[in-house]
Amino acid sequence: NAGVTQTPKFRVLKTGQSMTLLCAQDMNHEYMYWYRQDPGMGLRLIHYSVGEGTTAKGEVPDGYNVSRLKKQNFLLGLESAAPSQTSVYFCASRLMVGLTYEQYFGPGTRLTVT
Amino acid sequence: GQQLNQSPQSMFIQEGEDVSMNCTSSSIFNTWLWYKQDPGEGPVLLIALYKAGELTSNGRLTAQFGITRKDSFLNISASIPSDVGIYFCAGQSGYSGAGSYQLTFGKGTKLSVIP
Repeated sequence: NAGVTQTPKFRVLKTGQSMTLLCAQDMNHEYMYWYRQDPGMGLRLIHYSVGEGTTAKGEVPDGYNVSRLKKQNFLLGLESAAPSQTSVYFCASRLMVGLTYEQYFGPGTRLTVT
Repeated sequence: GQQLNQSPQSMFIQEGEDVSMNCTSSSIFNTWLWYKQDPGEGPVLLIALYKAGELTSNGRLTAQFGITRKDSFLNISASIPSDVGIYFCAGQSGYSGAGSYQLTFGKGTKLSVIP
């Protein structure tokens, strides 16, 4: 099992450009999440999905869109990148079984917007 | 929204020393999780706690779910250089609705170990 994988690992964008970050998990998890991590801010939830075809906003959703067309994939899109979106982005997934709430993280994508 | 206060923010210790860190909240949590993040990597789950008062160990790591359900502690015994990293606490507060889907994260404790 690869667990949670993220593509790409690094990316540099110019202001106004668009891009899509891909998250894939092979653990058959129902829930998937996108976070951003900034120095001193911890992990902040951008969007999440509780199943194929469903998404919901997290704490900091502005400027991002997501889609979950397949259970194993969760895409994060930036339509018009801004320097404030320079960050490290993490995807996570979670199994929906009983009262377990453990999330498993990917290795991250480091995005720089100039 | 809910907040977790994690302390200390950073600590420098000598190899072989024991380490303690904690998270506190003004709200009750039903689950506490502790993660470790190595430089350039994603967080890795260390310990999960599901019952108030629960004490759980994972090798040299021991974590406790506070009896008030508003705090949790992580101890590392006999630290070694590979313990270096950022340790995050996370809490989950609801059994239904949006609260059951999301975790609230502390801002992390950065641990440095001096050989």
